[in-house]
Amino acid sequence: AQSVAQPEDQVNVAEGNPLTVKCTYSVSGNPYLFWYVQYPNRGLQFLLKYITGDNLVKGSYGFEAEFNKSQTSFHLKKPSALVSDSALYFCAVRDGSSNTGKLIFGQGTTLQVKP
Amino acid sequence: NAGVTQTPKFQVLKTGQSMTLQCAQDMNHEYMSWYRQDPGMGLRLIHYSVGAGITDQGEVPNGYNVSRSTTEDFPLRLLSAAPSQTSVYFCASSYSKGTGAYEQYFGPGTRLTVT
Repeated sequence: AQSVAQPEDQVNVAEGNPLTVKCTYSVSGNPYLFWYVQYPNRGLQFLLKYITGDNLVKGSYGFEAEFNKSQTSFHLKKPSALVSDSALYFCAVRDGSSNTGKLIFGQGTTLQVKP
Repeated sequence: NAGVTQTPKFQVLKTGQSMTLQCAQDMNHEYMSWYRQDPGMGLRLIHYSVGAGITDQGEVPNGYNVSRSTTEDFPLRLLSAAPSQTSVYFCASSYSKGTGAYEQYFGPGTRLTVT
């Protein structure tokens, strides 16, 4: 069965500092991994995805994520945080061997960037 | 191109009442899904569909019904509302096309309260 874990409920970082939001996953086949962001009272917005190839994936708003197969992790990173990055972040996984398109989400991590 | 639309935005029901949450997309996506979002639990998949006439259950299907008569529409029915169904509901869609890794597009959500 697929599962995703985001071990931190909240991450606090000062503006201008690098940020990392952690995600680990479990899937039986090849993983397709996604990060989404949710601003208050809004739907989820797609940030980036990993399918295959380069382990470092670049996405929207300066975010990137590093895929680590041996550690089954897909951590979200940004070199310099902005106050406007404050939001709820979700990691999600899909089993690449399945054609159902089902995504399983983690419980979410609130990112708080302070000025 | 309106993307994924959901109606209503807000709804209050009494226990035992029924209602239908509407979802439509104009991107010709094969895959559509319904999630519920509860604090600390992330997004949980209720039902999904890989095409018109095909639906299947997700993680938390009890108390909900779906149908997919057209590619565009994927309504979610609550047959007899219960307070445990108080939540924010999101509809999402994506291309499916077998094992392709396509990101999902989310609607703005419906906030449902059952008293």
